Amino acid sequence: NAGVMQNPRHLVRRRGQEARLRCSPMKGHSHVYWYRQLPEEGLKFMVYLQKENIIDESGMPKERFSAEFPKEGPSILRIQQVVRGDSAAYFCASSPPDNYGYTFGSGTRLTVV
Amino acid sequence: RKEVEQDPGPFNVPEGATVAFNCTYSNSASQSFFWYRQDCRKEPKLLMSVYSSGNEDGRFTAQLNRASQYISLLIRDSKLSDSATYLCVVNLRDDKIIFGKGTRLHILP
Repeated sequence: NAGVMQNPRHLVRRRGQEARLRCSPMKGHSHVYWYRQLPEEGLKFMVYLQKENIIDESGMPKERFSAEFPKEGPSILRIQQVVRGDSAAYFCASSPPDNYGYTFGSGTRLTVV
Repeated sequence: RKEVEQDPGPFNVPEGATVAFNCTYSNSASQSFFWYRQDCRKEPKLLMSVYSSGNEDGRFTAQLNRASQYISLLIRDSKLSDSATYLCVVNLRDDKIIFGKGTRLHILP
């Protein structure tokens, strides 16, 4: 039973480019969460999704960031026109329908140069 | 007041010692509580859930005090491999889980 799969593990983008981060939840998990962790900082909630629905996006910046979890395929966190301040580790977690028990992916480390 | 607050440390503790972390939370409606462990440049991993009656898993003991709104983690007979950042996690409701910033622990040989 594969865990939460995130790819790529490392992503380097120039300022102004787009970054696409992918997350495949654990088998049987229908809830996906995205968190951002800045260097020396804690995990900050960004968005919570179920299949084809955004449940809570209160932690998402208003501009340039979007997330989706389509009926088929992985969840995507998309960052348009990246800036240096977007450099961080982005973790995805998934949980089963009862919401009990988070499992994290290994994260995507985004570096904006 | 922050939703979940932890002493950032670092705690530098000799091997074999006992170390305790506390964490306070602001929302009295919080439903469930966890401790996660995060190693450097790795993802957080669930260490243990925290139950009202307190619970133990080997060298680790977690306790919850709802009246004072804090949870604690006690590590006995600490090992070098316990060096990590320990994250206090509070579930406010089904779709809102808040992480503390973490407490860094260094076990010294």
